[in-house]
Amino acid sequence: DGGITQSPKYLFRKEGQNVTLSCEQNLNHDAMYWYRQDPGQGLRLIYYSQIVNDFQKGDIAEGYSVSREKKESFPLTVTSAQKNPTAFYLCASSTVGNYGFTFGSGTRLTVV
Amino acid sequence: GESVGLHLPTLSVQEGDNSIINCAYSNSASDYFIWYKQESGKGPQFIIDIRSNMDKRQGQRVTVLLNKTVKHLSLQIAATQPGDSAVYFCAENKGGTSGSARQLTFGSGTQLTVLP
Repeated sequence: DGGITQSPKYLFRKEGQNVTLSCEQNLNHDAMYWYRQDPGQGLRLIYYSQIVNDFQKGDIAEGYSVSREKKESFPLTVTSAQKNPTAFYLCASSTVGNYGFTFGSGTRLTVV
Repeated sequence: GESVGLHLPTLSVQEGDNSIINCAYSNSASDYFIWYKQESGKGPQFIIDIRSNMDKRQGQRVTVLLNKTVKHLSLQIAATQPGDSAVYFCAENKGGTSGSARQLTFGSGTQLTVLP
């Protein structure tokens, strides 16, 4: 079955530590996205990528980094520069026109 | 910046009744709209979409209505069931600036609670 897979489902980070969230899709979508969702709030765009080896900052990119070395994969690194990283992180993919916009099941990151 | 907004943050309906969830958008250039359902702790699930050249689209127990004159979108759920309890939010798809990807803009959502 085609879909988008995020791992891990739960992740705990210590202060000052970098962590990487995985996102893999087998939908043959060109575009991939990372969103952050805080309780009771909407989705905020962190980074997006339209093609391999290219990505753009979203609205809240500070403290995050991404790479797009393969079409299927778009990992997100939450760096120690992100001062308030506790949130639910959602990865998504779509065709370039945003049709078929599909989300993963999310990763809940908690700072301990 | 422009954003998609929802009229009501919460909605409670009796099981078996119809539900109507509303969404206002502000960008007249948006040409594609999507409704998502998000259950607690899960990723959003696609429910139904509609392009701006349509006024209405029906799915299984769901109907989306688009009124471009007043920039209003609604999701109707027929015979609401307990499993429909979730947060519902709409998204609008608008063209990006030159060279950038088209962007989806999401509303904050409406919490639908189905009462027994």
